[in-house]
Amino acid sequence: DIRMTQSPASLSASLGETVNIECLASEDIYSDLAWYQQKPGKSPQLLIYNANSLQNGVPSRFSGSGSGTQYSLKINSLQSEDVATYFCQQYNNYPFTFGSGTKLEIK
Amino acid sequence: EVQLQQSGAELVKPGASVKLSCKTSGYTFSNYYMSWLKQMPGQNIEWIGNIYGGNGGTGYNQKFKGKATLTVDKSSSTAYMDLSSLTSEDSAVYFCARNYYSALDYWGQGVMVTVSS
Repeated sequence: DIRMTQSPASLSASLGETVNIECLASEDIYSDLAWYQQKPGKSPQLLIYNANSLQNGVPSRFSGSGSGTQYSLKINSLQSEDVATYFCQQYNNYPFTFGSGTKLEIK
Repeated sequence: EVQLQQSGAELVKPGASVKLSCKTSGYTFSNYYMSWLKQMPGQNIEWIGNIYGGNGGTGYNQKFKGKATLTVDKSSSTAYMDLSSLTSEDSAVYFCARNYYSALDYWGQGVMVTVSS
């Protein structure tokens, strides 16, 4: 199985700041990567697919980048509603696998 | 509007089985795969497997083979997951989610399964 190593595990930032979350795959996943946001008690919401494509309805302050084994999610101008846990997911190989999550809080 | 409506919370005894449902609306069910996922409290998300709405073809995570069985009913646009021989390790929230280019674009609300005597 492809292992997805996500960092940091938790992150505290101020409103209006820019934050970056990283995901490292154990092998090349050819940009078959998605990012999700999960708020407490809710189901995950797709933010980014194919490493850098913004899902319909997702604010443009979210962006994804990367290739090969290294990927990142960037959130510009952090808002209070961005408090959540963020997960990466690879879908290049079965079984699909997820990173362990990054819990984002407001400082 | 695409919607995935999952069945309600389950309390089941060890050794028993449970069948979870995911009723869909707002899109052509037979054109998409449906994935099922497991999330234990405060923990990572695990992909259990997926099933094609058109012909019921399935793919499973090896970890869940023998534990989960995925089926569909095209007539009601509903996906099902049977979980068998339940133990405390199966206590978790289970989600269904539609595959979109293998990313998961719409999710059910999740269902809590609690295994306890």
